[in-house]
Amino acid sequence: AQSVTQPDIHITVSEGASLELRCNYSYGATPYLFWYVQSPGQGLQLLLKYFSGDTLVQGIKGFEAEFKRSQSSFNLRKPSVHWSDAAEYFCAVGAVTNAGKSTFGDGTTLTVKP
Amino acid sequence: ETGVTQSPTHLIKTRGQQVTLRCSSQSGHNTVSWYQQALGQGPQFIFQYYREEENGRGNFPPRFSGLQFPNYSSELNVNALELDDSALYLCASSSPTANYGYTFGSGTRLTVV
Repeated sequence: AQSVTQPDIHITVSEGASLELRCNYSYGATPYLFWYVQSPGQGLQLLLKYFSGDTLVQGIKGFEAEFKRSQSSFNLRKPSVHWSDAAEYFCAVGAVTNAGKSTFGDGTTLTVKP
Repeated sequence: ETGVTQSPTHLIKTRGQQVTLRCSSQSGHNTVSWYQQALGQGPQFIFQYYREEENGRGNFPPRFSGLQFPNYSSELNVNALELDDSALYLCASSSPTANYGYTFGSGTRLTVV
């Protein structure tokens, strides 16, 4: 069975500081990995995705993520956080052939201090 | 590109009632997935439709059913509503050329009282 664990329920960082959100996954085949962001009352916006190639993936809004197969991790990073980055972040894993049946983690809420 | 539109945005129903939620996908998006997101949790996969046929279902009972129409719209129907059905329901659609990328709607917030 596939699963996603986001160990940090809530993270607070100061504006301008760096950010790393953790994601560990369990999947029996080649995974298709995603990071989404959700603002209050909104749907999900795709930040980035990975299923092959360079293990460091660049996304929108200055985010990047690194795939580490040996650690079953896909951590999200940003060098300098902006107040507008405050939101809920979800990591998800799906099949390469059908990402529409993805399994999501329970999310990490990011608070940005001025 | 018009995005994915869900209606209504909010809905309140009584336990035992039936509800229909709607999703309008972009032209050419012949695959649609529905997810349930309970408060404080990540989305959970309900089912997927591809070319108007169900193409996989998550761990949800049969009282959750769906339809997909030729005009790229779809419905999620829930019968015999229970209090635990209160959640944000999201649809996500994709086209064959989208490299497996899915576009999510803003969701329908269902409250069962």
